[in-house]
Amino acid sequence: GQQVMQIPQYQHVQEGEDFTTYCNSSTTLSNIQWYKQRPGGHPVFLIQLVKSGEVKKQKRLTFQFGEAKKNSSLHITATQTTDVGTYFCAVRNTGGFKTIFGAGTRLFVKA
Amino acid sequence: GAGVSQSPRYKVTKRGQDVALRCDPISGHVSLYWYRQALGQGPEFLTYFNYEAQQDKSGLPNDRFSAERPEGSISTLTIQRTEQRDSAMYRCASSISGTSGYNEQFFGPGTRLTVL
Repeated sequence: GQQVMQIPQYQHVQEGEDFTTYCNSSTTLSNIQWYKQRPGGHPVFLIQLVKSGEVKKQKRLTFQFGEAKKNSSLHITATQTTDVGTYFCAVRNTGGFKTIFGAGTRLFVKA
Repeated sequence: GAGVSQSPRYKVTKRGQDVALRCDPISGHVSLYWYRQALGQGPEFLTYFNYEAQQDKSGLPNDRFSAERPEGSISTLTIQRTEQRDSAMYRCASSISGTSGYNEQFFGPGTRLTVL
């Protein structure tokens, strides 16, 4: 079945450093979503990418969808302590509604 | 407006008991999902409803797990004869539509189930 690999599992950064998490699939994706989950909280939707090669920005966050629609990345510029949490990518199985989440990348930011 | 709500927030039960977890989605949301999330892991899909129709239950681990959404709004996830391995956070999410291709999911706070 559909699977997504997300790396790294953890990332420790100093406040002000950049951060990137990657999501990879063995199959072509129709779209990909990114969610953020704060410690003790629930996943919160960040963005959905649909088009090949798409790049979207939200303030310090930059999201990319690969040309082959098999991978995606989330890049945070100049991290802040408010960026702490776990970032998940999520994909849908082809032709269905089952949503598959990656294992997540947990971001730690040291002030 | 109100978000997705779930009850109870915490449930402690003894092995062998049945439990029912409730999800109240955002009003007007057509799609409803149930997930199970282990600590340090991503949400694991259990089942999906489009209105009252359960269109995908491929993620339900075994026949002790069932879900319903009889009127296309509130949903209940039932676990019969609970086992310790069922202990987890159970999350519900809703989205306005599952057919448009855009399905931003709004998650509830979850029910933390502990089976003793």
